[in-house]
Amino acid sequence: ILNVEQSPQSLHVQEGDSTNFTCSFPSSNFYALHWYRWETAKSPEALFVMTLNGDEKKKGRISATLNTKEGYSYLYIKGSQPEDSATYLCALMTTDSWGKLQFGAGTQVVVTP
Amino acid sequence: SQTIHQWPATLVQPVGSPLSLECTVEGTSNPNLYWYRQAAGRGLQLLFYSVGIGQISSEVPQNLSASRPQDRQFILSSKKLLLSDSGFYLCAWSVREDYYNEQVFGPGTRLTVL
Repeated sequence: ILNVEQSPQSLHVQEGDSTNFTCSFPSSNFYALHWYRWETAKSPEALFVMTLNGDEKKKGRISATLNTKEGYSYLYIKGSQPEDSATYLCALMTTDSWGKLQFGAGTQVVVTP
Repeated sequence: SQTIHQWPATLVQPVGSPLSLECTVEGTSNPNLYWYRQAAGRGLQLLFYSVGIGQISSEVPQNLSASRPQDRQFILSSKKLLLSDSGFYLCAWSVREDYYNEQVFGPGTRLTVL
């Protein structure tokens, strides 16, 4: 089982503030890293699939970067809004586990007005 | 468009009772199918995945089994539930030809074993 770690486990953000959090993973045999957003009472929703070292992806106020050599990805939320409150999951796919995702435990983000 | 259904949404079962959770996908063919579980305070753990009818791969030894009797149907079962089987169960699918395996999740089933 791959060790995919996310930190912090949870964070509280004031509306309008920006924040970021980390996903760490083994750098060997990297294939792809996924980010999902999981809102309460909903299903996890795909945000990004990142595949190349140095990748940067953006969707609205949310962006992500990837460093495959050192084994980490950052997710950024700019100008947080209450609707950004969710658990953000990262998931690793390696070359020797194709088709399977190893999820981290998630970072729970609570944005307060 | 594709949709994924799971039922039931919630379930309370006594220890030792059987279990059957069903997942169906509409609007696609030959999907990869997955069962995940989120236990309290933990991340998503892959339980089973399937690349075709009758083809099941088990990821962790446990008290559960899975079957895929039809192309777009995936069933999670147990003969005798344990307390440790409590959790939130998610079914997911992905396009078989998607090299990066982006998965779409169903609404989930909350299982409580008493």
